[in-house]
Amino acid sequence: QKEVEQDPGPLSVPEGAIVSLNCTYSNSAFQYFMWYRQYSRKGPELLMYTYSSGNKEDGRFTAQVDKSSKYISLFIRDSQPSDSATYLCAMLDTGNQFYFGTGTSLTVIP
Amino acid sequence: KAGVTQTPRYLIKTRGQQVTLSCSPISGHRSVSWYQQTPGQGLQFLFEYFSETQRNKGNFPGRFSGRQFSNSRSEMNVSTLELGDSALYLCASSLENANYGYTFGSGTRLTVV
Repeated sequence: QKEVEQDPGPLSVPEGAIVSLNCTYSNSAFQYFMWYRQYSRKGPELLMYTYSSGNKEDGRFTAQVDKSSKYISLFIRDSQPSDSATYLCAMLDTGNQFYFGTGTSLTVIP
Repeated sequence: KAGVTQTPRYLIKTRGQQVTLSCSPISGHRSVSWYQQTPGQGLQFLFEYFSETQRNKGNFPGRFSGRQFSNSRSEMNVSTLELGDSALYLCASSLENANYGYTFGSGTRLTVV
């Protein structure tokens, strides 16, 4: 079993839709949870960062962590064509090592 | 502030050759990590360097090696290239630890023919 599981998609939604991206994990020691966005031919860029359980909102983006279920989500409201990218979840263990999901490819259709 | 700079952006090499990739982290960042990204496997951790010492290592063969210099710049080397080494190699930097996330470079696209 992989440490982090993420549905690869692809996911295609109309502009303005609410997008939900999800990851599950198996290591209960993970404390730091992040979402990265990667555009084609670019490196990943940090989108959201959360420590432990709870919600965090930043503009149209909301990150949610449920440690009891070992489940994290990223919600994108009022999705825009510029949101079309691959979204990677990432978790940090106590040894400062990251574990990444394989990424979900999102296309927002105008 | 300058981001993470990786050079070169693209490389084409022949099987059996070796290659060296370079990474300049964000100023003040002392930790540099390297990842291999392929469509099938996603991001796979190669190694992390901090203060010129390898602090963490992934499950890659010994053909993959790296080093970090006193100015925090890092290089990774792959010897005896195989076709399966074709990938995007990403460098990421952070402060002492990555609790607040990495900053990634744009990567080096290596093609082995």
